[in-house]
Amino acid sequence: GENVEQHPSTLSVQEGDSAVIKCTYSDSASNYFPWYKQELGKRPQLIIDIRSNVGEKKDQRIAVTLNKTAKHFSLHITETQPEDSAVYFCAALHGSSNTGKLIFGQGTTLQVKP
Amino acid sequence: NAGVTQTPKFQVLKTGQSMTLQCAQDMNHEYMSWYRQDPGMGLRLIHYSVGAGITDQGEVPNGYNVSRSTTEDFPLRLLSAAPSQTSVYFCASSPFVGEQYFGPGTRLTVT
Repeated sequence: GENVEQHPSTLSVQEGDSAVIKCTYSDSASNYFPWYKQELGKRPQLIIDIRSNVGEKKDQRIAVTLNKTAKHFSLHITETQPEDSAVYFCAALHGSSNTGKLIFGQGTTLQVKP
Repeated sequence: NAGVTQTPKFQVLKTGQSMTLQCAQDMNHEYMSWYRQDPGMGLRLIHYSVGAGITDQGEVPNGYNVSRSTTEDFPLRLLSAAPSQTSVYFCASSPFVGEQYFGPGTRLTVT
């Protein structure tokens, strides 16, 4: 069945350092991989996503890399700031983009220390 | 646009009671889904719908029913509440299985 594993479960970094969160997925047919950020008491919001036809995507201080052969993808946050502190979730699409379903990882709590 | 709305925001149930969590969206999205969020477990898919009249099971469907009679509404029914269903429930919608727009969530406690 479909499964997404996310590591680490918690991550603490100093302000200005980089943070990396990794996810592996089980369905080799998955072709869409979003990342969501959830601030305390708020709803999850999409911050970046990648499709399987590219290996890397950047948006300012965040980037996502995808290794289809190894079936893993990672979120990279550079120059971390206290406002980056949140829970981050990866997800993978199982099935088609019209009828499939998103399977989420377990989440990573990122703490950025000032 | 209000986006995705959920009611109630908080609810306390006794074991065995039933209730319906409401979810509505005004973005004309075909795809809607229900997730539950528990500490250390991430967001787990309960049920989802790819359009009016069509629903399917997610990862953890037991104890929950859904229906999709209109594009706008996707209620989640708890048939006989159990303490294991204590959780935060999020409804989400999207034009397809891409960026999910989440509602504000419902915090449910079953005693």
